Amino acid sequence: AQSVTQPDIHITVSEGASLELRCNYSYGATPYLFWYVQSPGQGLQLLLKYFSGDTLVQGIKGFEAEFKRSQSSFNLRKPSVHWSDAAEYFCAVTVGQGNLIFGKGTKLSVKP
Amino acid sequence: GAGVSQSPSNKVTEKGKDVELRCDPISGHTALYWYRQSLGQGLEFLIYFQGNSAPDKSGLPSDRFSAERTGGSVSTLTIQRTQQEDSAVYLCASSLVLSGISGNTIYFGEGSWLTVV
Repeated sequence: AQSVTQPDIHITVSEGASLELRCNYSYGATPYLFWYVQSPGQGLQLLLKYFSGDTLVQGIKGFEAEFKRSQSSFNLRKPSVHWSDAAEYFCAVTVGQGNLIFGKGTKLSVKP
Repeated sequence: GAGVSQSPSNKVTEKGKDVELRCDPISGHTALYWYRQSLGQGLEFLIYFQGNSAPDKSGLPSDRFSAERTGGSVSTLTIQRTQQEDSAVYLCASSLVLSGISGNTIYFGEGSWLTVV
């Protein structure tokens, strides 16, 4: 069955440090890939998405993600984290039928 | 409005009662989705609608759950005989056309928080 794995449930980084959130998917073909962010009490906001072409995609708020077909991964990165980045991050794939399948999410805490 | 609108934003109901949750998608979006977000369970797909096609109900957890979409726009998710395990945030989303076919971005509302006591 198709699945999305975010192996890190909770990550804490210091403000100004770099960040990498991991995402792996299990799907036969290359799916459409997304990263969403959810602040407490809020809905989900799209950070970036990958459909085809350049495997390094740029998103909002200084985030980027790299698609690696050989590793079935789509990791999210940011070179310097800000306190306002504290939130929960969800990786998701679209698997052809139309709906998104989400990972369990990674909660990011930022230390001053 | 510009985004996906959901109501009510919060609902507390007694076990055994029926509830209706409403979603108003972005104007012009033909695809509409419902998801459920529970503590520790992540985001669970429930159902989607695409235009006038039959909805994909494969994610509905039981026959107590149903949804309809009238006139290709507003959707209502109904939960009958609510149980405590139904307590969750119910998120509605929409996209221009089905994301799985086109890769279109899916835009989410802020959710309806349901508490069953």
